[in-house]
Amino acid sequence: QVQLVESGGGLVKPGGSLRLSCAASGFIFSHHYMTWIRQAPGKGLEWVSFISSSGSDVFYADSVRGRFTISRDNAKKSLYLQMNNLRVEDTAVYYCARENLTTDYWGQGTLVTVSS
Amino acid sequence: IVMTQSPDSLAVSLGERATINCKSSQNLLYSVDNKNYLAWYQQKPGQPPKLLIYWASTRESGVPDRFSGSGSGTHFTLTISSLQIEDVAVYYCQQYISTRTFGQGTKVTI
Repeated sequence: QVQLVESGGGLVKPGGSLRLSCAASGFIFSHHYMTWIRQAPGKGLEWVSFISSSGSDVFYADSVRGRFTISRDNAKKSLYLQMNNLRVEDTAVYYCARENLTTDYWGQGTLVTVSS
Repeated sequence: IVMTQSPDSLAVSLGERATINCKSSQNLLYSVDNKNYLAWYQQKPGQPPKLLIYWASTRESGVPDRFSGSGSGTHFTLTISSLQIEDVAVYYCQQYISTRTFGQGTKVTI
């Protein structure tokens, strides 16, 4: 079955950096766009970024463009999100998800807390 | 694209109908394939969202048939025909015609 497991979350100071990873299994990873979506504590869902199946095309929300970088390694079946210059408002659970027409499978998420 | 759901919260008796509305600031009907790029998700506490419906009205495999979606263009509806205790959750609409945007969510309680 489809499994997506995120890692790399934690506590970081404003202005700091963090790299999230997502390990995929149970499907042909290289065939799918992949996406990162976040959810601030007690809030709704916010799309962050997605990447094409080959990695050649990437898209970002305005709120993270220029600070976050999405990438993937199809050989390792892994998705990444490099987050730089983090702000307090980036505090959220970050979900890795598969794109298949729409966003169909989600991981359990990893919590990123930005605080001094 | 801005997605606006109504109401923000909804209390429904067991076995009664629940109706959630979603309005898009842009047309989600793509003329080339005549499909509405609108999905609905259910999120229970401590869990990731679960896909319920896509193309505005197609149920994902395994989703009970008490869940149905309707609408076209800019106005859409999710209906739970007979609310069960396990349906208590927050429901989100999402457009996927241009990147992704979610509604703010509708909390359904008993």
